[in-house]
Amino acid sequence: SAVISQKPSRDICQRGTSLTIQCQVDSQVTMMFWYRQQPGQSLTLIATANQGSEATYESGFVIDKFPISRPNLTFSTLTVSNMSPEDSSIYLCSVVITGYQNTEAFFGQGTRLTVV
Amino acid sequence: RKEVEQDPGPFNVPEGATVAFNCTYSNSASQSFFWYRQDCRKEPKLLMSVYSSGNEDGRFTAQLNRASQYISLLIRDSKLSDSATYLCVVNLWWGKLQFGAGTQVVVTP
Repeated sequence: SAVISQKPSRDICQRGTSLTIQCQVDSQVTMMFWYRQQPGQSLTLIATANQGSEATYESGFVIDKFPISRPNLTFSTLTVSNMSPEDSSIYLCSVVITGYQNTEAFFGQGTRLTVV
Repeated sequence: RKEVEQDPGPFNVPEGATVAFNCTYSNSASQSFFWYRQDCRKEPKLLMSVYSSGNEDGRFTAQLNRASQYISLLIRDSKLSDSATYLCVVNLWWGKLQFGAGTQVVVTP
């Protein structure tokens, strides 16, 4: 299993500013995933954070808006840049642990972002 | 068309009753399948994996139909604590997950 500590748990930010979200995992993992969950909707993958290389972004998400750092195998940050009210959402980091017979995704507690 | 589709519900279920719902997925190369539970304002947590032969975990039964590309979840003897949103999750390749929008279940006394 994996335990992920994500912070901040929530924040209210002014438009035009940036917020950096941190995730710390209690074990080394190759890939970490960053998701966004807008109200009433499911999780949408923003990007995959790889240690030692640039993150891989999904369609509709760009590095300038959501820069990601992955300095080691247990830590990653996601920055939401130049925020607008449309960025208000829950942001979640995730890792996937594959065992002998099963695969399970573990999530941080989420960051509830409100942009005013 | 969404890659993973679920009936959003809500399914209003009397306590003690049975409820079942499905999820369809579009990518036939999907490798593994899961049901996650998400409580309000909380992160998703694994409820159960879904195996080709179908599997049961207590009051929960999951089925996978690869030919028709759907998975199902059945909850027997519903408890008030089963009220949550149930997310259908499909694993395309190692770690790349696709999520359905969730099915809301409300168990009433």
